[in-house]
Amino acid sequence: GESVGLHLPTLSVQEGDNSIINCAYSNSASDYFIWYKQESGKGPQFIIDIRSNMDKRQGQRVTVLLNKTVKHLSLQIAATQPGDSAVYFCAETTGNAGNMLTFGGGTRLMVKP
Amino acid sequence: ETGVTQTPRHLVMGMTNKKSLKCEQHLGHNAMYWYKQSAKKPLELMFVYNFKEQTENNSVPSRFSPECPNSSHLFLHLHTLQPEDSALYLCASSQDSTYGYTFGSGTRLTVV
Repeated sequence: GESVGLHLPTLSVQEGDNSIINCAYSNSASDYFIWYKQESGKGPQFIIDIRSNMDKRQGQRVTVLLNKTVKHLSLQIAATQPGDSAVYFCAETTGNAGNMLTFGGGTRLMVKP
Repeated sequence: ETGVTQTPRHLVMGMTNKKSLKCEQHLGHNAMYWYKQSAKKPLELMFVYNFKEQTENNSVPSRFSPECPNSSHLFLHLHTLQPEDSALYLCASSQDSTYGYTFGSGTRLTVV
């Protein structure tokens, strides 16, 4: 079936470095993508989203890149801080699926001081 | 606070117990969801309610019983659970697919 998955289960970076978390999706009809951050003991929290009519969107210290040709999504975090340590999930949906999101398996980001 | 409140935060129950998880959203959303999150597994969708009507039951065992009395409240009734049901149960709400879901902090359930 259709799936959304993450390339790496754990990413360890030095404080101050940039982080890149990747996600592959298989449903070419997907048109809306979201990145969530889940800190320990909390539910997933919305970070940034992007629609399929865009290939890049920037937020505060975060950038999401979408490559529809290879069905790849990435989250870039600039100047990674200890507070960025969390599990990051990508999620996707299509207009036909209504509100249904499909989540990836998650990548744990560990920031070393 | 995200606007989605779940209670209790932690729950330990025996396999013969009956308990309920509660979720309340203050965002005016029209859809609510129950997800199960186990270690090393993706989020598993359990139930979806749109305008109080259940629109999805993702092959969930009958020992989990959802209830949605209105568009702001969602319950998950639990009875005769198994140890493998121990997990973090997350509630989420949304208005439509334009904005994605808002999650609560979850209930950490341990079945002993």
